[in-house]
Amino acid sequence: GENVGLHLPTLSVQEGDNSIINCAYSNSASDYFIWYKQESGKGPQFIIDIRSNMDKRQGQRVTVLLNKTVKHLSLQIAATQPGDSAVYFCAENISGRYSTLTFGKGTMLLVSP
Amino acid sequence: EAQVTQNPRYLITVTGKKLTVTCSQNMNHEYMSWYRQDPGLGLRQIYYSMNVEVTDKGDVPEGYKVSRKEKRNFPLILESPSPNQTSLYFCASSFGASSGANVLTFGAGSRLTVL
Repeated sequence: GENVGLHLPTLSVQEGDNSIINCAYSNSASDYFIWYKQESGKGPQFIIDIRSNMDKRQGQRVTVLLNKTVKHLSLQIAATQPGDSAVYFCAENISGRYSTLTFGKGTMLLVSP
Repeated sequence: EAQVTQNPRYLITVTGKKLTVTCSQNMNHEYMSWYRQDPGLGLRQIYYSMNVEVTDKGDVPEGYKVSRKEKRNFPLILESPSPNQTSLYFCASSFGASSGANVLTFGAGSRLTVL
């Protein structure tokens, strides 16, 4: 959205750098986690997910790390590109229980050429 | 193309004038949901529907109504809009809870301004 980025923590990187975006989740019972990307003027889009029986999952240029001990999730983007500029937010859930789906506030990633 | 379609994308209205934001998905998803997104508050769920004729309140349902008469459609109704309902609204859908995964497909958003 046009002003979604207001009030959000911002990570500024140079093109080609690796980016790490962090997320702290709240429910120790959550067992399924998702990262979404939201570009300006668009709806959130799925990037990658991970279940609690894993601590790492890799996609194309993205890696999600899960530390259940400290309830922390991170998204790593390799060789960040200007097209990666967006708001990124995590979501936590207990599998099959839609009422527990909770979204984080998000982090704005700004990539300079 | 698999998608969630919302209309209108932009709307300016006045206090008290009833309006409906439509949402339609072509993926045969059982689950549909409405969210509002406000600066500093993130995505907050308004209402959701597990299937046809099954709807339930989310975190911020006051001032909104929904209906789910058909699987593909989930309109959001503001009977008497007020300025505090000025927001960016998203409709989303996914396969049912039995899939064990809640990967939502979101619409492009509807920017509503209530004067």
